[in-house]
Amino acid sequence: ETGVTQTPRHLVMGMTNKKSLKCEQHLGHNAMYWYKQSAKKPLELMFVYNFKEQTENNSVPSRFSPECPNSSHLFLHLHTLQPEDSALYLCASSQEMGDSPLHFGNGTRLTVT
Amino acid sequence: GENVEQHPSTLSVQEGDSAVIKCTYSDSASNYFPWYKQELGKRPQLIIDIRSNVGEKKDQRIAVTLNKTAKHFSLHITETQPEDSAVYFCAAIPYGNKLVFGAGTILRVKS
Repeated sequence: ETGVTQTPRHLVMGMTNKKSLKCEQHLGHNAMYWYKQSAKKPLELMFVYNFKEQTENNSVPSRFSPECPNSSHLFLHLHTLQPEDSALYLCASSQEMGDSPLHFGNGTRLTVT
Repeated sequence: GENVEQHPSTLSVQEGDSAVIKCTYSDSASNYFPWYKQELGKRPQLIIDIRSNVGEKKDQRIAVTLNKTAKHFSLHITETQPEDSAVYFCAAIPYGNKLVFGAGTILRVKS
């Protein structure tokens, strides 16, 4: 058990669909993150929440909408995505925001058709 | 902002040999340097990290060295085994900021 759980593991959606990715951590961490992992690219930080407050939005298109209802749960709401948004979406958490190790979930493999 | 470059992009070694992956960073304020290993189809996992107040850290077959003057840090894996085959990512973080990752190195250990 990783301590960070993501659902679903795989998701195929059309460009007009609306779906949500879910992340849950039971590590007692205060910071949670969404990363996008595409082939042959560095991990791209999308959003950061620290104590439930969003502290980072790395110029992410508005078709991605994060939600953090509490320090243990993080969502990524998706709507009107593009094929180039197909990637592995990784959730992570850390004890503190900054120089604390990241604990990643297994990711959601998203395919936009 | 911070920029992290990682080399090589792919590395093939014979089982038992050593592997070295190097990263350079641009922000002299960076003070935390973790390394993550990602096996095929799995999540990235922290394998070792180093902070700017030390120059070297070891954990069994894995070691990381840091040269703050030259702004580079390296991962050293000795006596490589097939299960070391994975993608390795370095990262750096300026104080109070967010991790910036390198592009990754695909390590293949041939038996």
